[in-house]
Amino acid sequence: EVQLVQSGAEVKKSGESLKISCKGSGFSFKYYWIAWVRQMPGKGLEWMGIIHPVDSDTTYSPAFQGQVTISVDTSIDTAYLRWSSLKASDSAMYYCARRSGDYDWFFDLWGRGTLVTVSS
Amino acid sequence: QSVLTQPPSVFGAPGQRVTISCTGSSSNIGARYDIHWYQQLPGAAPKLLIYGNSYRPSGVPDRFSGSKSGTSVSLAISGLQAEDEADYYCQSYDTSLSGWVFGGGTKLTVL
Repeated sequence: EVQLVQSGAEVKKSGESLKISCKGSGFSFKYYWIAWVRQMPGKGLEWMGIIHPVDSDTTYSPAFQGQVTISVDTSIDTAYLRWSSLKASDSAMYYCARRSGDYDWFFDLWGRGTLVTVSS
Repeated sequence: QSVLTQPPSVFGAPGQRVTISCTGSSSNIGARYDIHWYQQLPGAAPKLLIYGNSYRPSGVPDRFSGSKSGTSVSLAISGLQAEDEADYYCQSYDTSLSGWVFGGGTKLTVL
């Protein structure tokens, strides 16, 4: 089955670090850009950044540049989203999504999301 | 404030037709980047509903359709069903921001 499987919910404290994951299966992971999208409680979708597994070419939204790090491990078909020092305002649902193709500008496959809760 | 503008909510009775608009600018829709639509059912992840302004992925009912006119794009849902109650988001690429952008989302309530 073609899918993106995300890591489980996390409960952390402000100032702690965190790395969540997104594992692809059923498709050639290394050939697809993988994006991260934030959804704060009761709010809309926000694109955070995107990475290409082959060369780790990464683009961040200006709103998230310097706040998070996106990385990938092609040996296990997994993309990551990392925070070095969490804030309460990072509490949200985080989705990974697959860009359909190099010449497409939409996301055709989504993970089920990872809920991150940060307490102060 | 989102780069793409959608109405916060729309309402319709079962069987009716509703439309959701998505307005952009010269740096996204006007720059010839397509609009794509996602459906997010309560408690679920977003799902691709329409791509390339008007194309439906396999499995999406033809009750859902998309259209584009200038820098305005719309999603139409005909023959409304209770299961269509969800949040709908438009999305494009923005050249000024050099990144992907979403509309603020529209909550569809089936009366």
